[in-house]
Amino acid sequence: DTEVTQTPKHLVMGMTNKKSLKCEQHMGHRAMYWYKQKAKKPPELMFVYSYEKLSINESVPSRFSPECPNSSLLNLHLHALQPEDSALYLCASSQGEGFFYEQYFGPGTRLTVT
Amino acid sequence: TQLLEQSPQFLSIQEGENLTVYCNSSSVFSSLQWYRQEPGEGPVLLVTVVTGGEVKKLKRLTFQFGDARKDSSLHITAAQPGDTGLYLCAGANTGNQFYFGTGTSLTVIP
Repeated sequence: DTEVTQTPKHLVMGMTNKKSLKCEQHMGHRAMYWYKQKAKKPPELMFVYSYEKLSINESVPSRFSPECPNSSLLNLHLHALQPEDSALYLCASSQGEGFFYEQYFGPGTRLTVT
Repeated sequence: TQLLEQSPQFLSIQEGENLTVYCNSSSVFSSLQWYRQEPGEGPVLLVTVVTGGEVKKLKRLTFQFGDARKDSSLHITAAQPGDTGLYLCAGANTGNQFYFGTGTSLTVIP
């Protein structure tokens, strides 16, 4: 199984809503990532978890809250988002810590904030 | 500061033509990857290069890593509509920092 899955595929939420994005992998990878991507732009790194611990937070606003319940799951909790947060949110995983390892991406969640 | 600059940014060609996408940096990278991303999907890894001067081929795609490990190129022979997508280079430098390139949006017209 070389697949990273993400749910939901699409999400529309208001600025006062609370929602969560989910990511799952069963490749035994020990590092997982959240990226944000605007149309026709490269992905921007948000968070990195290594061995279920947050190792990198790229100065992301607190309205985004990551969680890694176990080595296979990664969540991104959303609260009080702004319209400019609308984007494709991508999850990725890699075998080990360190960007030398190849990252495998999920299909993404298309988020629209109204 | 964007460490990996790709050119061209946009490319529209006819089916059957050849093309080259460039990924350039002033920094040395310990490894460099190429991804293709289709609209509404996540990036899919095409290749990883780690040795300066390395050349890898994947069917009609040829990837090259520069001798100094600061640049890379992707050459597509006889492009097909299925090659349409956003091509991204990405690299890890010796300081364990990871960067995506600025991206090249390719459209192959049937």
